[in-house]
Amino acid sequence: NAGVTQTPKFQVLKTGQSMTLQCAQDMNHEYMSWYRQDPGMGLRLIHYSVGAGITDQGEVPNGYNVSRSTTEDFPLRLLSAAPSQTSVYFCASSSGYRGGKNIQYFGAGTRLSVL
Amino acid sequence: SQQGEEDPQALSIQEGENATMNCSYKTSINNLQWYRQNSGRGLVHLILIRSNEREKHSGRLRVTLDTSKKSSSLLITASRAADTASYFCATSASGYSTLTFGKGTMLLVSP
Repeated sequence: NAGVTQTPKFQVLKTGQSMTLQCAQDMNHEYMSWYRQDPGMGLRLIHYSVGAGITDQGEVPNGYNVSRSTTEDFPLRLLSAAPSQTSVYFCASSSGYRGGKNIQYFGAGTRLSVL
Repeated sequence: SQQGEEDPQALSIQEGENATMNCSYKTSINNLQWYRQNSGRGLVHLILIRSNEREKHSGRLRVTLDTSKKSSSLLITASRAADTASYFCATSASGYSTLTFGKGTMLLVSP
């Protein structure tokens, strides 16, 4: 059981370039989220989705775009990379509040450097 | 802004000692969860406590929740070097589908 798979694991971009971070889950979870983790800042929510075709903004959405065409996939697009987007990005999925829990399962992360 | 705040930011202990981490939050919650992150890895769920519970145990983990003080604590008993990691609390508010994470406590357990 793969769980949540993120690709690539590492990426270096130049300022102004665009790219897509991939996230796929095989647990048939409805909820998926993208976070960024910066030193001393913990995890901050970028965008999330409660089902195919439904997305919403989190705490730090500027400069990022998402779509959810299938239950399994939730890609994160950087439209025009900036050095401030250098970070570690985590994708997570959850079955939501079944049983009142909303436990999240995380991918291994994508380490992004923008030069 | 983040809701959970862990305390201390860093904790260094010897193997066999107990480790206690605290978390404070600001608004009403449905449940509070603790996650562990090993260096360079994703977060892993450890334990969940619902808003109507006061204490929960799982193996060497003990979590308490005081909703009147909006605080929680995570106790790891008889720590091992393998417990070295960062620990995050995350709150889940009623009606919301997302979790709000704190900044984490870095735990170092020396052999």
